[in-house]
Amino acid sequence: SQTIHQWPATLVQPVGSPLSLECTVEGTSNPNLYWYRQAAGRGLQLLFYSVGIGQISSEVPQNLSASRPQDRQFILSSKKLLLSDSGFYLCAWSDGLAGINEQFFGPGTRLTVL
Amino acid sequence: AQSVTQLGSHVSVSEGALVLLRCNYSSSVPPYLFWYVQYPNQGLQLLLKYTSAATLVKGINGFEAEFKKSETSFHLTKPSAHMSDAAEYFCAVSSGGGADGLTFGKGTHLIIQP
Repeated sequence: SQTIHQWPATLVQPVGSPLSLECTVEGTSNPNLYWYRQAAGRGLQLLFYSVGIGQISSEVPQNLSASRPQDRQFILSSKKLLLSDSGFYLCAWSDGLAGINEQFFGPGTRLTVL
Repeated sequence: AQSVTQLGSHVSVSEGALVLLRCNYSSSVPPYLFWYVQYPNQGLQLLLKYTSAATLVKGINGFEAEFKKSETSFHLTKPSAHMSDAAEYFCAVSSGGGADGLTFGKGTHLIIQP
């Protein structure tokens, strides 16, 4: 069966510090991968998605970037965090061949920028 | 373009009462529709999905949803609410093509009164 991991689970960082969040998927090959942000009391905002190694599409211009160095690894980064980067970050995967975009979510990372 | 509207950011029901969470969608092609549940500080878990088979879809935890094309709706119901159903519920739509994933509604917070 497939599993998706995210770490760290929680993170408190000062403004201006760098960020690296990691997501890995097990039990599947060539998944589509997604990063979402969920601000307090708000819905999900798609940040990035990837259909393959090194292929990243950005949905929202911002302070963040994403990379996919391996087939089942997706990394969310920032060089300098802003207060507005606080939120709950969710990674998800889907089977690109299935064609219905059903997504499976990781447990999330709670990021607080102080 | 596709979109999802969830009526009511908060819904409160008594334990044992009917749960009805509303979702209306727009899509230029026959859609795939999903309901996800999110418990505090956790990722999203799939409750059920509509993929153009039966219009009445049964999911986990006693939930079901009915796809009504004429009303462009996919409302979520459960005959008898349990305290454990208290959570955030998200409706999502996919056109199936492209990897840019699901379009989510803003979510409905379900409150269960004892």
